[in-house]
Amino acid sequence: DSGVTQTPKHLITATGQRVTLRCSPRSGDLSVYWYQQSLDQGLQFLIQYYNGEERAKGNILERFSAQQFPDLHSELNLSSLELGDSALYFCASSADARWDSPLHFGNGTRLTVT
Amino acid sequence: AQSVTQLDSQVPVFEEAPVELRCNYSSSVSVYLFWYVQYPNQGLQLLLKYLSGSTLVKGINGFEAEFNKSQTSFHLRKPSVHISDTAEYFCAVSVLGGSQGNLIFGKGTKLSVKP
Repeated sequence: DSGVTQTPKHLITATGQRVTLRCSPRSGDLSVYWYQQSLDQGLQFLIQYYNGEERAKGNILERFSAQQFPDLHSELNLSSLELGDSALYFCASSADARWDSPLHFGNGTRLTVT
Repeated sequence: AQSVTQLDSQVPVFEEAPVELRCNYSSSVSVYLFWYVQYPNQGLQLLLKYLSGSTLVKGINGFEAEFNKSQTSFHLRKPSVHISDTAEYFCAVSVLGGSQGNLIFGKGTKLSVKP
């Protein structure tokens, strides 16, 4: 058990809809990262937050947004959903943003857009 | 831009046999290199990483990898695999000085260990 909790585990929704994925990092971890794993694109880094502030941005679409709250949990919002957004979305956390801080991954949220 | 190529999408191997999972990367700048493992229905777990120093890196579960700068490779090896090593393995790079979470992953190699 990595200590990173993601909810829900599964989500099925229709095109055009909006969903929110939630991530609770390991206790004490300040950094949260979001990744998308799809059959087409493989694993891609989306975005990182550190102590409430956006730290780094990857291949995140404009239809997607994220935030990290004062209690350090994070939410990834996906809007105007398309079939191609169907994927496994992972959250990871680390103690801080240093290079030697290991990443701990949650078990993911599987999003199916129909 | 950086890229990672995992040359084999699937590797079947018998239990107790040695295995090598190949990874090549492309980058015009210095990178950090990682291997992650993903067991079914689970998130990724770090196996090992190369940041600097000795080019032979030892990780968890008996795995090791060797960084070869001239060949831009970071192949993962294990001398004797177990059934429990059946999983998908991802090689990843990150740019020196960038965010440690900004990883560029390969497409993955599915290791299937047969009895």
